[in-house]
Amino acid sequence: DIQMTQSPSSLSASVGDRVTITCQASQDISNYLNWYQQKPGKAPKLLIYDASNLETGVPSRFSGSGSGTDFTFTISSLQPEDIATYYCQQYDNLPAVTFGGGTKVEIK
Amino acid sequence: QVQLVQSGAEVKKPGASVKVSCKASGYTFTSYGISWVRQAPGQGLEWMGWISAYNGNTNYAQKLQGRVTMTTDTSTSTAYMELRSLRSDDTAVYYCARDWEQQLVGTFDYWGQGTLVTVSS
Repeated sequence: DIQMTQSPSSLSASVGDRVTITCQASQDISNYLNWYQQKPGKAPKLLIYDASNLETGVPSRFSGSGSGTDFTFTISSLQPEDIATYYCQQYDNLPAVTFGGGTKVEIK
Repeated sequence: QVQLVQSGAEVKKPGASVKVSCKASGYTFTSYGISWVRQAPGQGLEWMGWISAYNGNTNYAQKLQGRVTMTTDTSTSTAYMELRSLRSDDTAVYYCARDWEQQLVGTFDYWGQGTLVTVSS
């Protein structure tokens, strides 16, 4: 299976800060990468698909980039409601879908 | 609006089986697939497998092969996930999630609310 390595595992930032999370695949996955947001006690929510496309209704402060093995997820201006854990997920090696370990985002 | 509503929490003994349901509404059930994803307490997400609601084709995660069965009932727009020979490390919240297309694409746009399965003697 393809391994997805996210970093950092957690971060603390102030409201208004730019937040960046990275995700590295163990092999080339082209742009077959999604990003999900999971708030405590809730199901995950799709934010970004195909590495850089914003899902309908998702605020534009969220963005994604990258291809191949290295990907970046950015929150341009952190808001209090963005407190959550964020997961990357590859779907290049179907049927073996795999998720990264998650990045917990907290407010400083 | 699209909704996936799952069955309630379960407590099972080691070695038992559990069957979780996921009732879909707000869309044509047979036009999409359903994946199941689980999350152990304090841990990350683990994809378990997928079923086509169109023709019942399945793909299971290798580590669960032989212990998991996914089915659908198109008459009630409900998907089911049965896990057998339960162990303590199967304790998790189990989610169903709609895949984007009829075949397995691996992009999950709607999720159920989750079902906690606790395995304990």
